[in-house]
Amino acid sequence: RKEVEQDPGPFNVPEGATVAFNCTYSNSASQSFFWYRQDCRKEPKLLMSVYSSGNEDGRFTAQLNRASQYISLLIRDSKLSDSATYLCVVNSGGYQKVTFGTGTKLQVIP
Amino acid sequence: NAGVTQTPKFQVLKTGQSMTLQCAQDMNHNSMYWYRQDPGMGLRLIYYSASEGTTDKGEVPNGYNVSRLNKREFSLRLESAAPSQTSVYFCASTEQVNQPQHFGDGTRLSIL
Repeated sequence: RKEVEQDPGPFNVPEGATVAFNCTYSNSASQSFFWYRQDCRKEPKLLMSVYSSGNEDGRFTAQLNRASQYISLLIRDSKLSDSATYLCVVNSGGYQKVTFGTGTKLQVIP
Repeated sequence: NAGVTQTPKFQVLKTGQSMTLQCAQDMNHNSMYWYRQDPGMGLRLIYYSASEGTTDKGEVPNGYNVSRLNKREFSLRLESAAPSQTSVYFCASTEQVNQPQHFGDGTRLSIL
């Protein structure tokens, strides 16, 4: 099993739709979690950290399920500008234990 | 706010040539990283520097060397470039290991 796994997609959704991505991780000792977005041929940019109690930033909601070892990202009222690849990042402790998922591609359609 | 600055943005090399990728951050972060990103493989850690004066190997260090010149700067050197090193290289920095990393805009390197 890979350390961090994401469905590569693409997820094609109409504008205004709600879409959710999951990211599973294998190390139960993982300590910190993040969602990044990456536009085509650009650098990853931090979207949000994921806290144990769940957290929300505008249209974006992130949740952590330690029992099932996954994090999720929910996007409400999708915009065309949300089209990107979403990377999950899991830190299992230590500089060499930061693992990036390969990303889930989202395409929002007019 | 410059954040993390990488130079050059693009480079084409011939097999066997050497070059140094430069990275500088102005956020006073302690830790810096070099990654490569290849299609379908995600970001892979080449080297990291936990703090000024220290460097350590990551997942894919072969063929690379690094220098943490000072707190701001962390360079990556390819001594004898190989076609397998064709990739997009990202530099990142963070205050502490459990904090999110901030990325430069990348260097696109092609080796013929």
